[in-house]
Amino acid sequence: AQSVSQHNHHVILSEAASLELGCNYSYGGTVNLFWYVQYPGQHLQLLLKYFSGDPLVKGIKGFEAEFIKSKFSFNLRKPSVQWSDTAEYFCAGSYSSASKIIFGSGTRLSIRP
Amino acid sequence: GAVVSQHPSRVICKSGTSVKIECRSLDFQATTMFWYRQFPKQSLMLMATSNEGSKATYEQGVEKDKFLINHASLTLSTLTVTSAHPEDSSFYICSARGGADSYEQYFGPGTRLTVT
Repeated sequence: AQSVSQHNHHVILSEAASLELGCNYSYGGTVNLFWYVQYPGQHLQLLLKYFSGDPLVKGIKGFEAEFIKSKFSFNLRKPSVQWSDTAEYFCAGSYSSASKIIFGSGTRLSIRP
Repeated sequence: GAVVSQHPSRVICKSGTSVKIECRSLDFQATTMFWYRQFPKQSLMLMATSNEGSKATYEQGVEKDKFLINHASLTLSTLTVTSAHPEDSSFYICSARGGADSYEQYFGPGTRLTVT
């Protein structure tokens, strides 16, 4: 079945640390991948997306993600986190342009000032 | 960018009553809208997909008679929770797809429903 999984439920980092959040998707044909962020009390915002082309995708706020087809992964990275990055991060995938988006379980990121 | 609004943002209702939540795409025409439910500290669970002018497609386990979805125009979809019970208390989020970039969904701010 088509699915998206995030194995880190809660990540705690200090400011200026590097971040990598894992995301894996199941095989199911052509897939479009997304990372969304949900700040406390706010709605979902798109950080970045991958449809095709360069597997290294740069998004807003200094985030990037790399699509590695051989590993079925789309991990989110940021070289130096800030306290304001505290939020819930969701990886999501869509297996065709007409289908629904499937969300991972989310990773809560807490940054110690 | 595309903006999706939801109304109301919060609603409290008594058990047994019905509640309607509106989802509007403000600056684009949404051919497809999605309704999600999010429990505290959990991910978004897709409830149903609605296409303008046709019946909604419900995910497995979602009662279509309890969660009525209407997508009567290209900018408005409504979710009605009928005969609400406390276990229906949740955060309901809609998203809309349409316009030039049909791969992407734009999310509304969500509606917090509390059933007492």
